[in-house]
Amino acid sequence: GQQLNQSPQSMFIQEGEDVSMNCTSSSIFNTWLWYKQEPGEGPVLLIALYKAGELTSNGRLTAQFGITRKDSFLNISASIPSDVGIYFCAALNYGGSQGNLIFGKGTKLSVKP
Amino acid sequence: KAGVTQTPRYLIKTRGQQVTLSCSPISGHRSVSWYQQTPGQGLQFLFEYFSETQRNKGNFPGRFSGRQFSNSRSEMNVSTLELGDSALYLCASTTRLAGAAYNEQFFGPGTRLTVL
Repeated sequence: GQQLNQSPQSMFIQEGEDVSMNCTSSSIFNTWLWYKQEPGEGPVLLIALYKAGELTSNGRLTAQFGITRKDSFLNISASIPSDVGIYFCAALNYGGSQGNLIFGKGTKLSVKP
Repeated sequence: KAGVTQTPRYLIKTRGQQVTLSCSPISGHRSVSWYQQTPGQGLQFLFEYFSETQRNKGNFPGRFSGRQFSNSRSEMNVSTLELGDSALYLCASTTRLAGAAYNEQFFGPGTRLTVL
């Protein structure tokens, strides 16, 4: 089946550092999404990408939809303690069920003040 | 407006028992999807309901079932529980507007199921 390979699995960084994580697949997707999950909560959508090559920002977060449509990247600039959580990439194909998101295994981010 | 609510938040069952989890979507949302989250497999899609009909199903055994009511509330049921069913079960609701590239799914906090 379709799989998303997300890396790194975890990151320990100092406050103020920039963070990069990525997601790759052997399949092509029409939509890439990035979510954040905090303890005791469900995932919350951060950024949605709909077009190959698209670069979208949400505050200190920037995500890109890879030109091959098989990958996506998320960058967080100047990290702060509240960035702690698990970041998931997710993807789907337009025309498929809106509910059938495929998720990466997540990147656990820890920020040291 | 109120978010997605799931009940109960925590549940402990023993092998062989069955369990029913409930999800109330955001008001006006007619689509509800269910996901299983485990440390090993991550988030995996179980099924999606829209207008009381199952629209899509993930790769889970028939012990996992669901339904949706006319008020869009949804339940999922797991029969003959196994140890491996221990997980966080998340539901997500969306408006499911036709023609949209993506209708944002809003997740509930999940039900933590422990099978002993």
